[in-house]
Amino acid sequence: DAGVTQSPTHLIKTRGQHVTLRCSPISGHKSVSWYQQVLGQGPQFIFQYYEKEERGRGNFPDRFSARQFPNYSSELNVNALLLGDSALYLCASSFYSTGLYEQYFGPGTRLTVT
Amino acid sequence: GENVEQHPSTLSVQEGDSAVIKCTYSDSASNYFPWYKQELGKGPQLIIDIRSNVGEKKDQRIAVTLNKTAKHFSLHITETQPEDSAVYFCAASIGDYKLSFGAGTTVTVRA
Repeated sequence: DAGVTQSPTHLIKTRGQHVTLRCSPISGHKSVSWYQQVLGQGPQFIFQYYEKEERGRGNFPDRFSARQFPNYSSELNVNALLLGDSALYLCASSFYSTGLYEQYFGPGTRLTVT
Repeated sequence: GENVEQHPSTLSVQEGDSAVIKCTYSDSASNYFPWYKQELGKGPQLIIDIRSNVGEKKDQRIAVTLNKTAKHFSLHITETQPEDSAVYFCAASIGDYKLSFGAGTTVTVRA
């Protein structure tokens, strides 16, 4: 089975621009989470979606938004990019059932803001 | 919110020796504790996890222990091999919700 896929792999944007990152979860997984990983640090939680509804949001500004589609794929949008938004953006999918908590990560999208 | 601290930040071991990474967490409601391995240029890979109703779990050369009273958990890698060299992250969560990660441990296995 294919794992979590993300696109694009790399992206370079200019300050003030907008970016859309995409994620396809593992087949059968209905929950998608987004994380930001700054170089040298652990991933930081941004959003979690389950069945197309937002279940949780981390401490990120309103410039960050996301949505989940009927096929459970997801998009992360970031407006008015800042230099500090440069990071690896990770998507994780999980099946979500009682006692089944495993989250599996994709390879990430490396965003560079210049 | 949950705060996870991880030590050491770097660890160098001789091939064949054991490696131990320790993490502490702050939220007593946390009940799920995964460990991830991240190689350069890749996303984190789940290598083992433990739930709060279990004190220890082992998978071949990898084991994890959990002390809920002290709010700490540890990763043990025995008989280390060069391919074990990577950055390891511990994390904690309340069920299937946001993972709070430690800062990571860079493990180097010397041949």
